[in-house]
Amino acid sequence: GAGVSQSPSNKVTEKGKDVELRCDPISGHTALYWYRQSLGQGLEFLIYFQGNSAPDKSGLPSDRFSAERTGGSVSTLTIQRTQQEDSAVYLCASSLAAGFYTQETQYFGPGTRLLVL
Amino acid sequence: GIQVEQSPPDLILQEGANSTLRCNFSDSVNNLQWFHQNPWGQLINLFYIPSGTKQNGRLSATTVATERYSLLYISSSQTTDSGVYFCAVVNSGTYKYIFGTGTRLKVLA
Repeated sequence: GAGVSQSPSNKVTEKGKDVELRCDPISGHTALYWYRQSLGQGLEFLIYFQGNSAPDKSGLPSDRFSAERTGGSVSTLTIQRTQQEDSAVYLCASSLAAGFYTQETQYFGPGTRLLVL
Repeated sequence: GIQVEQSPPDLILQEGANSTLRCNFSDSVNNLQWFHQNPWGQLINLFYIPSGTKQNGRLSATTVATERYSLLYISSSQTTDSGVYFCAVVNSGTYKYIFGTGTRLKVLA
């Protein structure tokens, strides 16, 4: 079956604009994760969804960031009033299990490259 | 908060060599994962290993939770093993991964 898909693959926006990034997990995967990786930097965890619920939103970098998941499937990461420091690759992953502390493998999408001018 | 340190930061190997990557963490964890990011950016989840030992082909991992470290072993390395290896931990009672800064591995043919 299809893997995790993300759209758009690339996004260039102007500072101050809002952007929406989309993640389509593997069908049947209950858990969904968002990460970001700034250019040449390491990985930063943003948020985890168990079904449609995110038990901990403290990983989101600021209140300009929000995420939601509907129908236990598609997730959207929204960044309001984008800043240049938001430029990064935003990665989404999904896994089969519903619990955070499980052995289920995370499968990653190709990422969305966001550039804020 | 919990600190995660990986070593070495960079590693260059000849094809066929073995290597050990280390991840130290500063507090108790109940989730530890190893990830590989290839040179084209694709991420693979290698192991979920909060304790004990696991093996998958030429790769194996061991976590000694009481001593707060994990090791990733790569045997008979191949050029396709090149990339960055990250470990990530979850502090007990939280739902947030904390990543180490990674080990960048280059395997030469």
